[in-house]
Amino acid sequence: GAGVSQSPRYKVAKRGQDVALRCDPISGHVSLFWYQQALGQGPEFLTYFQNEAQLDKSGLPSDRFFAERPEGSVSTLKIQRTQQEDSAVYLCASSLAPGGTTEAFFGQGTRLTVV
Amino acid sequence: GENVEQHPSTLSVQEGDSAVIKCTYSDSASNYFPWYKQELGKRPQLIIDIRSNVGEKKDQRIAVTLNKTAKHFSLHITETQPEDSAVYFCAATPRNNYGQNFVFGPGTRLSVLP
Repeated sequence: GAGVSQSPRYKVAKRGQDVALRCDPISGHVSLFWYQQALGQGPEFLTYFQNEAQLDKSGLPSDRFFAERPEGSVSTLKIQRTQQEDSAVYLCASSLAPGGTTEAFFGQGTRLTVV
Repeated sequence: GENVEQHPSTLSVQEGDSAVIKCTYSDSASNYFPWYKQELGKRPQLIIDIRSNVGEKKDQRIAVTLNKTAKHFSLHITETQPEDSAVYFCAATPRNNYGQNFVFGPGTRLSVLP
């Protein structure tokens, strides 16, 4: 595809429900980042993949958050037992080179609302 | 870890005037500084970036300056237009044991008044 694609665009989950958010990066991009963006805030780092390797997961707020990129392309962010404070926009970004050294292209995000 | 501060948080200017947004960072190892524009409900999009071996970069009405010694960088928009209204985020790229990551500032909401 032409850009980074995320699905679903919107997700409403009942508290305690598990959710899975998908990211399709630009083909050939080595780096993939997940960010959490609360209303009126800047993106907050969650985790980083270089190809299939999850090199940095220091931003994941709890062990309820899990991310994977098994074949070095599509990535899934899973949140177990969702809580109201998980409500936010989840942004995925990919870049051609390893790490934060070249432009990151963002997806449109998934807006998660936990009720 | 890296801390990126951004000022002001909101900025209103008259159409045609200039706008300046300033960011500071704490990790002297950061070497890539992108600026993103995010319109309401849309994805952040890169508008300009600068690397640490350059002091200034310009692209039409947009320019970025970097002062490595003081660890701050600024976005300058000249001849502002209503379509420049958006939230602008700066970012730095600190090094850690895993490589580099993007750390974003909290954003500046720019309103260009016609």
